[in-house]
Amino acid sequence: GQQVMQIPQYQHVQEGEDFTTYCNSSTTLSNIQWYKQRPGGHPVFLIQLVKSGEVKKQKRLTFQFGEAKKNSSLHITATQTTDVGTYFCAGRSGGYQKVTFGIGTKLQVIP
Amino acid sequence: GAGVSQSPRYKVAKRGQDVALRCDPISGHVSLFWYQQALGQGPEFLTYFQNEAQLDKSGLPSDRFFAERPEGSVSTLKIQRTQQEDSAVYLCASSSGRDEQYFGPGTRLTVT
Repeated sequence: GQQVMQIPQYQHVQEGEDFTTYCNSSTTLSNIQWYKQRPGGHPVFLIQLVKSGEVKKQKRLTFQFGEAKKNSSLHITATQTTDVGTYFCAGRSGGYQKVTFGIGTKLQVIP
Repeated sequence: GAGVSQSPRYKVAKRGQDVALRCDPISGHVSLFWYQQALGQGPEFLTYFQNEAQLDKSGLPSDRFFAERPEGSVSTLKIQRTQQEDSAVYLCASSSGRDEQYFGPGTRLTVT
């Protein structure tokens, strides 16, 4: 079945440093979503990418979808303590509604 | 407005007991998903409903797990004869289409 790998699993950064998490799927995706889960909270939707090579920005966050629609990345510029949490990618294949989540990247920001 | 709600928020069950977890999706959302999230892991898909129809139950780990959404709104996930490996957070999410999913706060199940 479809597998979604995500690296790194953990990342500690000094406040103000940049951060990137990478997501790779074993199959071609129809779309990919990114979610953020704060400690003790539930996943909250950030964005969805659909097109090959798509790049979307939300303030300090930049999301990319690979040309082959099998990989994606999330880059945060100049991290802040409010960025702390676990970032998940979630991929959808074909016409199915089922979404497969990656293991997540847990981001710690050191003030 | 009201988001997705789940009850109970915490459940402790003795091994072998049956449990029922409830999800109230956002009003009007057609799609409803159940996920299981173990500590330090991403949400694992369990099952998906479109209105009252259960279109995908491929993620249910065993026949002890059963989900229903009889009127196309509230959903219940039932686990029979709970085992220790069932301990996890059970998340419900609803969606109006193929875009973002809105997650509830989850039910933390501990089987002792």
